[in-house]
Amino acid sequence: ETGVTQTPRHLVMGMTNKKSLKCEQHLGHNAMYWYKQSAKKPLELMFVYSLEERVENNSVPSRFSPECPNSSHLFLHLHTLQPEDSALYLCASSPSEEGSGANVLTFGAGSRLTVL
Amino acid sequence: GQNIDQPTEMTATEGAIVQINCTYQTSGFNGLFWYQQHAGEAPTFLSYNVLDGLEEKGRFSSFLSRSKGYSYLLLKELQMKDSASYLCAVRDGDYKLSFGAGTTVTVRA
Repeated sequence: ETGVTQTPRHLVMGMTNKKSLKCEQHLGHNAMYWYKQSAKKPLELMFVYSLEERVENNSVPSRFSPECPNSSHLFLHLHTLQPEDSALYLCASSPSEEGSGANVLTFGAGSRLTVL
Repeated sequence: GQNIDQPTEMTATEGAIVQINCTYQTSGFNGLFWYQQHAGEAPTFLSYNVLDGLEEKGRFSSFLSRSKGYSYLLLKELQMKDSASYLCAVRDGDYKLSFGAGTTVTVRA
């Protein structure tokens, strides 16, 4: 148990479906992140929330819609995805969004998404 | 964007030593991280370097040379459980974190 829990662990969806990924942390962290991990590629930062406010959106298509209702929960709503969106989606949290010191990310185990 | 390079794969024998290199080119520098990721699991934090030199944590050590844009992760006395992907990540002058593609280490008996 890493302290960051993601559900579901696996998801298969059609291109016309709507689904959501959920992330939960009880580490008292103020920042939460969504990353996309594709095989043999670097982790891609998608969204950053600091104190429930979105502070970064890295040119992510609108078919991905994040939501942060409180500092412990983060969602990624998925709608009309493409097959190339199939990947592992990792949630992470950290004490703060930036700043000096290590500010280490704690990751969840990820949600493996397959788009048919 | 930032450029972070590390080898794709490495193989070593149980009990041996493996060194994973990471080179980077970033706009400014505010620290380098190594994470370990076992297949199907969350990446977990291994080490953090912000000053030049060697940081040692048990069987794992991480080295940084800021002038060369270079780091390595040294794994000693390799065990089968060390088979995993190792991710190098660099925080730039704007405190943005960028990851390398990861190095898959396979430990053979």
